[in-house]
Amino acid sequence: QSVLTQPPSVSAAPGQKVTISCSGSSSNIGSNYVSWYQQFPGTAPKLLIYENNKRPSEIPDRFSGSKSGMSGTLGITGLQTGDEADYYCGTWDGSLSAWVFGGGTKLTVL
Amino acid sequence: QVQLVQSGAEVRKPGAAVKISCKASAYTFTSYAMHWVRQAPGQRLEWMGWINAGNGNTKYSQKFQDRVTLTRDTSANTVYMELSSLKSEDTAVYYCARQNFGSIRWFDPWGQGSLVIVSS
Repeated sequence: QSVLTQPPSVSAAPGQKVTISCSGSSSNIGSNYVSWYQQFPGTAPKLLIYENNKRPSEIPDRFSGSKSGMSGTLGITGLQTGDEADYYCGTWDGSLSAWVFGGGTKLTVL
Repeated sequence: QVQLVQSGAEVRKPGAAVKISCKASAYTFTSYAMHWVRQAPGQRLEWMGWINAGNGNTKYSQKFQDRVTLTRDTSANTVYMELSSLKSEDTAVYYCARQNFGSIRWFDPWGQGSLVIVSS
């Protein structure tokens, strides 16, 4: 059971928008930054969003992040078939004194 | 560009140990912490611990506290992860990932991963 809760899967049509939630608690998301990672099958995770809502320079602005209270959200607009991947949220948990990841969300672009 | 290159796949018998390397390039090695994350087949990412590449201080996940050892060789810009008393459940891809500068907020980049298979 993950400390951070993500929906196992989401889906949408090409060109549409999707959001992926990441729910935590006061000891993790509530008091620390959230980051998001994209992982294609058989490859290493890649940083997508850091410090809740910032994008590395190479990440297109179709990807966005936000945080409110004890939850973070990843948004993807203008969906492309190439966005099909697993998406993970992560943050530091002060109570566990450990980094924690969500269970991952599989995005399907129909 | 900043790059992390890991050692290759390993096969071990239950009860044995495995040591994986992660060689860093294109940045000041001792200025950043390095983390290890593993992913069992079809499973989520699981954080194992980190090492401060500057002073060698380590912090381990409680789950792996008794079995994992992180070390570094500053002359080779390389971090090592050793996992002992292997069980079949330790079959996974093991990743190193560089922490952002300063207090922990994100990981970037990640190594390509090292597959460890534990089987009798």
